[in-house]
Amino acid sequence: SQQGEEDPQALSIQEGENATMNCSYKTSINNLQWYRQNSGRGLVHLILIRSNEREKHSGRLRVTLDTSKKSSSLLITASRAADTASYFCATDAYGGATNKLIFGTGTLLAVQP
Amino acid sequence: SQTIHQWPATLVQPVGSPLSLECTVEGTSNPNLYWYRQAAGRGLQLLFYSVGIGQISSEVPQNLSASRPQDRQFILSSKKLLLSDSGFYLCAWRLQGTGELFFGEGSRLTVL
Repeated sequence: SQQGEEDPQALSIQEGENATMNCSYKTSINNLQWYRQNSGRGLVHLILIRSNEREKHSGRLRVTLDTSKKSSSLLITASRAADTASYFCATDAYGGATNKLIFGTGTLLAVQP
Repeated sequence: SQTIHQWPATLVQPVGSPLSLECTVEGTSNPNLYWYRQAAGRGLQLLFYSVGIGQISSEVPQNLSASRPQDRQFILSSKKLLLSDSGFYLCAWRLQGTGELFFGEGSRLTVL
């Protein structure tokens, strides 16, 4: 079963705008990660945030984590057409089999030029 | 540097036929290995993962199986394919104790 649910399922914005995607999960976690997938390709890791962190930045990416609400958000600032892709959150469960990384359902982002 | 190879990239198979998808990793030792399946427009479903040679953990029942005959080789198999086995299969690896997964380019399976 999937651990995370992304919201919205699809998002369409104009180039230069910011894009915000949300992820909710069910169990306690060690860390939460965000991945990007271009159509028909493998996933590429974007950023990892640990359970004791609240915010992390990487270039135009900003990730927040609220463990009390079991939710995370990914913000892409000043979006570009090349940011068009699907974005997934993934979690390593705490206290369980930490070898498993469970993915959410994904948000399909379309950035219009 | 580490690389991951997956093949075949595309496969069209009749119902009831066998399946073998192969994944190999180069440039690292003793990785954790994973097989995921992605249905069209959906998220990733974890099928199997392995922490060492001959050690396979299954997340889903059904007619798929996995094997790890060598440290950096992971094989997904089926004796008889079902229509519902169609999808995009992704192999991935990560080092023990670290978080980031590295994915292959995927194998698209269509069962007719």
